[in-house]
Amino acid sequence: DAMVIQNPRYQVTQFGKPVTLSCSQTLNHNVMYWYQQKSSQAPKLLFHYYDKDFNNEADTPDNFQSRRPNTSFCFLDIRSPGLGDAAMYLCATSYGNQPQHFGDGTRLSIL
Amino acid sequence: AQSVTQPDIHITVSEGASLELRCNYSYGATPYLFWYVQSPGQGLQLLLKYFSGDTLVQGIKGFEAEFKRSQSSFNLRKPSVHWSDAAEYFCAVGARSGGYQKVTFGTGTKLQVIP
Repeated sequence: DAMVIQNPRYQVTQFGKPVTLSCSQTLNHNVMYWYQQKSSQAPKLLFHYYDKDFNNEADTPDNFQSRRPNTSFCFLDIRSPGLGDAAMYLCATSYGNQPQHFGDGTRLSIL
Repeated sequence: AQSVTQPDIHITVSEGASLELRCNYSYGATPYLFWYVQSPGQGLQLLLKYFSGDTLVQGIKGFEAEFKRSQSSFNLRKPSVHWSDAAEYFCAVGARSGGYQKVTFGTGTKLQVIP
């Protein structure tokens, strides 16, 4: 089945230690998104790639970066994680005006 | 700017009872509307979508939703709830913006199903 895969499912890192979350897709969608979801809250869009074009949301902290080396993969880099960055990170993809497809997320914990 | 309101943070229903989850949206044009479901520790799964046409849309797992433009609502319904429906439900409104779809989610309704 075509899908969105996030690795790892659970990630633990230390305060201030850089961390990278991974997302891959077999849907061949041209748009990939990263969302942050804190407990009992709605997903919050951090940024998205439309093909190779990176689009940052205005309120996304500089601490969050992203890379998309090819159509299938997209990475979320957190340069210096703080305690407030502990959350579920969701990757999603879409094509045209079709609904977004989500991965199962990566739960990030900060020690 | 688009926005979504889900007035019920938490709902409890008995297994076999009917369910209606409320959703109100704000958007200047005809919106794209979605309902997603999220089980604990999982991603979001699309239940159904409305783009245009018939205002009553059918989704997966026996869910349906009705778009009412006059009320700016898109309520989710199910005639008979199963224990496996316990999850969090997110209503969302989407808008095309420069080739991608910007989606705004409501704050979610957590559904508890009791035997």
